[in-house]
Amino acid sequence: EAGVAQSPRYKIIEKRQSVAFWCNPISGHATLYWYQQILGQGPKLLIQFQNNGVVDDSQLPKDRFSAERLKGVDSTLKIQPAKLEDSAVYLCASSLGSGGSYGYTFGSGTRLTVV
Amino acid sequence: GENVEQHPSTLSVQEGDSAVIKCTYSDSASNYFPWYKQELGKGPQLIIDIRSNVGEKKDQRIAVTLNKTAKHFSLHITETQPEDSAVYFCAASGGSYIPTFGRGTSLIVHP
Repeated sequence: EAGVAQSPRYKIIEKRQSVAFWCNPISGHATLYWYQQILGQGPKLLIQFQNNGVVDDSQLPKDRFSAERLKGVDSTLKIQPAKLEDSAVYLCASSLGSGGSYGYTFGSGTRLTVV
Repeated sequence: GENVEQHPSTLSVQEGDSAVIKCTYSDSASNYFPWYKQELGKGPQLIIDIRSNVGEKKDQRIAVTLNKTAKHFSLHITETQPEDSAVYFCAASGGSYIPTFGRGTSLIVHP
């Protein structure tokens, strides 16, 4: 089966600019996650979707980050305006359902550099 | 919330040796413990997981052990090969099953 697709692979922007990332999960996977991975750290959950509804966005900095999954398939994550500390790899993952019973499949990520 | 500590941060071994990575967790309600392998430029890949009703699980050269009383779990890789070189992450999750990740261990296997 095809994996989780993410684009772009790399992005360099200046602080205060905006940026958007795209994710297409594995076909049929109802649950989609966005993670932020800062260099040298483990992934940190930003938001979880179940179909097109938000399950958990408690760690999403809502003043600057937004995400949507309008049709319950692909998703976009946006940052506006970006700060230097947003430099990280943004990982998208999907699973058949919520919960650990299904396991996660991660995409290769988008590496964001804010200068 | 859950806090996961992972050690060591870097592990260097010779090909054929065994490697052990250890993690501790804080939330006694956590009941699912996956391990991920992340190669350079790629996303983490699930390699093995264990649930709280099991003390040990093995899959070929990798095994995971869980001590619920002490709240720690470990990844064991035997007969290491250069292709095992990667960053390994442990994670722990509770009722929501959303995992909290450790900071990662960079495993280097020297041929």
